[in-house]
Amino acid sequence: AQTVTQSQPEMSVQEAETVTLSCTYDTSESNYYLFWYKQPPSRQMILVIRQEAYKQQNATENRFSVNFQKAAKSFSLKISDSQLGDTAMYFCAFMKRSGGGADGLTFGKGTHLIIQP
Amino acid sequence: DTGVSQNPRHKITKRGQNVTFRCDPISEHNRLYWYRQTLGQGPEFLTYFQNEAQLEKSRLLSDRFSAERPKGSFSTLEIQRTEQGDSAMYLCASSLSLAEGDEQFFGPGTRLTVL
Repeated sequence: AQTVTQSQPEMSVQEAETVTLSCTYDTSESNYYLFWYKQPPSRQMILVIRQEAYKQQNATENRFSVNFQKAAKSFSLKISDSQLGDTAMYFCAFMKRSGGGADGLTFGKGTHLIIQP
Repeated sequence: DTGVSQNPRHKITKRGQNVTFRCDPISEHNRLYWYRQTLGQGPEFLTYFQNEAQLEKSRLLSDRFSAERPKGSFSTLEIQRTEQGDSAMYLCASSLSLAEGDEQFFGPGTRLTVL
């Protein structure tokens, strides 16, 4: 079984600052995907960024980037030039590549990110 | 709107009653997932369909929980004899199996309150 740990229940930064959210995971799988999902207040969850474990290059999506350390089983999310609209719960999630998706996503408990004006 | 939809958005019921939730996935998506999210926690995987076949149901929380996906389109999640501990947000997600990384698109959820 996989576990995902997010050790920061809440973070608060000023608008335009850079913030890093931490995530560690535990698995015996060698092929898997890692995700960061964003859940704004009272709105549905959306995918922020995805990383394939077999790729060494860290994924980037505009202001969002990850630091993927496979040996350390660490997957942090960096948000640059933070904006008020980034305020949300952020969840780190894991999915095995084998099994055809049948295991679903395993989520961490989330980090509540607050961007202050 | 071509996203994942869920109905109802809110459900209040008394303990012991049965409830059913509906999920309409993105039309071309063949995979459908149900999750439960309790306050302060991340979503917890419950069950998975590929087309009309329920390929994983061992993670359903008890035999009071069941799900169907007739004809591989919409899905329903039923909870029988509800208990107060069933109060939670129930999320549905869909994906296309050919899509790399199996990105799941989530619906807005159904919030269940059991009195």
